[in-house]
Amino acid sequence: GENVEQHPSTLSVQEGDSAVIKCTYSDSASNYFPWYKQELGKGPQLIIDIRSNVGEKKDQRIAVTLNKTAKHFSLHITETQPEDSAVYFCAAIKGLLNSASGGSNYKLTFGKGTLLTVNP
Amino acid sequence: KAGVTQTPRYLIKTRGQQVTLSCSPISGHRSVSWYQQTPGQGLQFLFEYFSETQRNKGNFPGRFSGRQFSNSRSEMNVSTLELGDSALYLCASSRGLAGSDTQYFGPGTRLTVL
Repeated sequence: GENVEQHPSTLSVQEGDSAVIKCTYSDSASNYFPWYKQELGKGPQLIIDIRSNVGEKKDQRIAVTLNKTAKHFSLHITETQPEDSAVYFCAAIKGLLNSASGGSNYKLTFGKGTLLTVNP
Repeated sequence: KAGVTQTPRYLIKTRGQQVTLSCSPISGHRSVSWYQQTPGQGLQFLFEYFSETQRNKGNFPGRFSGRQFSNSRSEMNVSTLELGDSALYLCASSRGLAGSDTQYFGPGTRLTVL
């Protein structure tokens, strides 16, 4: 099955610096890669995602890059702020939506998470 | 628009008991997925329900079951609880099937098995 490795497990940066979190996946059939942010006491929130037909996607201070050949994707946060402190999860999804039957056959695998601390 | 809600937020049970957790999705969302989150295993997919039918399932034993009602609300049941079932149980809803649509997570139910 799919295996998603996420590094580092903890990351501490100074406010204003950049933070980079990397994930590698094993199944080349994976085609959708979301990133989630989980704050203490809350559920994960989708912050950005990328599909396998795109190499890079940016949303203000957050960007994600995908290297399909190497099977890895990365989250980049620029100009970090204390409120960026949280646990970040990557995920890899391979899916086949069978619209004819109304069913779906997909696999969703999460990385183990990265605790990001932004020091003021 | 109200987000995904889960009840109860905290639960303490003893080994051998059973437990039922509830999830109310965002209005208009027809898919509800359940996840188990532990420090050691991270986030693991349990199952997904869409239009009252289980559409996808992870690698969990049959002690873990679920159902979905006509209003899209979902319940998850764990029977014969084991110590290793202590975890944060998260549900997520999406308008379409989770494999093709953005999921929104609830705050989770923290289950402690003694």
